[in-house]
Amino acid sequence: KAGVTQTPRYLIKTRGQQVTLSCSPISGHRSVSWYQQTPGQGLQFLFEYFSETQRNKGNFPGRFSGRQFSNSRSEMNVSTLELGDSALYLCASRRTTEQFFGPGTRLTVL
Amino acid sequence: LAKTTQPISMDSYEGQEVNITCSHNNIATNDYITWYQQFPSQGPRFIIQGYKTKVTNEVASLFIPADRKSSTLSLPRVSLSDTAVYYCLVGDGMNSGYALNFGKGTSLLVTP
Repeated sequence: KAGVTQTPRYLIKTRGQQVTLSCSPISGHRSVSWYQQTPGQGLQFLFEYFSETQRNKGNFPGRFSGRQFSNSRSEMNVSTLELGDSALYLCASRRTTEQFFGPGTRLTVL
Repeated sequence: LAKTTQPISMDSYEGQEVNITCSHNNIATNDYITWYQQFPSQGPRFIIQGYKTKVTNEVASLFIPADRKSSTLSLPRVSLSDTAVYYCLVGDGMNSGYALNFGKGTSLLVTP
């Protein structure tokens, strides 16, 4: 069974730009969560989608948004990028309580 | 949401048993306790999950006292490859609590 895939793996943007990251969950998993990981703040929850609906949301500004499609694939978007948005963005899918993480997208904002 | 507290870092020698304790004083009745392991530049990986008493799998054991206000992840005879960050999560599994509380975890360093 294929694991969670994320694209792209690496991304370099400049301040003020926007970015879209993609996540394909494990087949049959309807829940997709997004996390931001930085050395200073650790692994922080962004939001969770289930059946195309946002179920939970972390404490991030409105510049961070997401969506989920009918095939459970998910995208997250960050608008007006700031230097502090440089991080590893992880996506996780699950069917029950165990979360399966993808390899992440490393975003660098210059 | 149950808040978790765990040590920031721990050191161990190869072959020793490592116990990492997590405090979760306001754990709710429906909450489970789950531990994840993360290597650098990879996503976290599920290790073990429990509700009460003791759970053991091929990788680790999880000890949960009767009051469930803490839990201890036990790694038997660690090797260098166990060097990683370990996260304790508390939540009800299918709703909001589960996804949120990764925090900074415990950074375990295993040396020869």
